[in-house]
Amino acid sequence: NAGVTQTPKFQVLKTGQSMTLQCAQDMNHNSMYWYRQDPGMGLRLIYYSASEGTTDKGEVPNGYNVSRLNKREFSLRLESAAPSQTSVYFCASGPRVSVAFFGQGTRLTVV
Amino acid sequence: QQQVKQSPQSLIVQKGGIPIINCAYENTAFDYFPWYQQFPGKGPALLIAIRPDVSEKKEGRFTISFNKSAKQFSLHIMDSQPGDSATYFCAATTSGTYKYIFGTGTRLKVLA
Repeated sequence: NAGVTQTPKFQVLKTGQSMTLQCAQDMNHNSMYWYRQDPGMGLRLIYYSASEGTTDKGEVPNGYNVSRLNKREFSLRLESAAPSQTSVYFCASGPRVSVAFFGQGTRLTVV
Repeated sequence: QQQVKQSPQSLIVQKGGIPIINCAYENTAFDYFPWYQQFPGKGPALLIAIRPDVSEKKEGRFTISFNKSAKQFSLHIMDSQPGDSATYFCAATTSGTYKYIFGTGTRLKVLA
């Protein structure tokens, strides 16, 4: 049972470049989430998806877009990366309304 | 009012000691309080959670104490081991919502 799988694990982008972070879960969960983790700030919610076909903004959505491609997959896109988006990004999922399982994270550096 | 304040920022204890991590909240609508454990280079993992209808919950060596009137909750790790060395996050949410508010984390080191 793989749980929540994120790709890539590491990425370096130049300012203005775009990229998509991929996330897939194999636990048949309805809820999926994208968080960013910055030193001293804990985890902050970027976007979430309550079910396939729905997405909603979290606490820090600016500069990001998401797609809930199907029940398994939830991607996060940075259209024009900025240094302020340097962070560790975590995808999570959970049954019903819960944040139960996290992926291993994507460490993104924007230079 | 949406903040969850976590302390201390870091903690060092000897093996066998009982580290205590505290969290405080303001929003009285919060009714679910989970704790997460995160090892370096890994994602957080749900450790234990409590609802305000109980004052204490135990799972193995991990105990949550909850004080509803003070709007505080704490994680105690009994007989701590070097393998418990990790960062611990508290969180709070209102049932039925998708927005968890996380504390800023406590880095615990248990010395052998």
